[in-house]
Amino acid sequence: EVQLVESGGGLVQPGGSLRLSCAASGLTFSSYWMHWVRQAPGKGLVWVSRITNDGTGTSYADSVKGRFTISRDNAKNTLYLQMNSLRAEDTAVYYCAREGGGEVAFDCWGQGTLVTVSS
Amino acid sequence: DIQMAQSPSTLSASVGDRVTITCRASQGINSWLAWYQQKPGKAPKLLIYKASSLESGVPSRFSGSGSGTEFTLTISSLQPDDFATYYCQQYNGYSRTFGQGTKLEIK
Repeated sequence: EVQLVESGGGLVQPGGSLRLSCAASGLTFSSYWMHWVRQAPGKGLVWVSRITNDGTGTSYADSVKGRFTISRDNAKNTLYLQMNSLRAEDTAVYYCAREGGGEVAFDCWGQGTLVTVSS
Repeated sequence: DIQMAQSPSTLSASVGDRVTITCRASQGINSWLAWYQQKPGKAPKLLIYKASSLESGVPSRFSGSGSGTEFTLTISSLQPDDFATYYCQQYNGYSRTFGQGTKLEIK
């Protein structure tokens, strides 16, 4: 069974940093592009970032560009999101998601981890 | 960046109804369009990919159509388990964008 499990969320002050992790199991992790998606309380889904299967290509939403960094360790089957200069508007549940091979979109999601940015 | 406009934002319907949700892309995305269902406190679930392909295990009452900039999700006969929020998503190019969501409520 494919599983994605996020961790690392919590309460952080504005301007602070946090690193999220997404541990993958039950899949050949190194074969897939991976993404981070967030959802502020009571709001819709917002795509944050993606990384290619080998880690050489990354993209970011304009709202996080220059502050967030996506990375992966294929030997550890783990995806990361380093979040710096955090703002109140970054408060959200953060999901990692697998983009399925071929024509498939985000076919597997983690349960999410809550990041709260507040003083 | 490609923007996705989804409508309506809220839809009230009854069990057994046929409902349609629309998604418009700000530029052509061929058929790189997916639909997701999300229930409160849960991660989204993929329903449709490549505009009209049904994800494995998803009931056949769900269907998708469209290409280019106009897409629809249709539920042929609403079941109690279908009341949830639905999102479209484009996956053309290197970035991804979601629509703002449609909350499907019980009338």
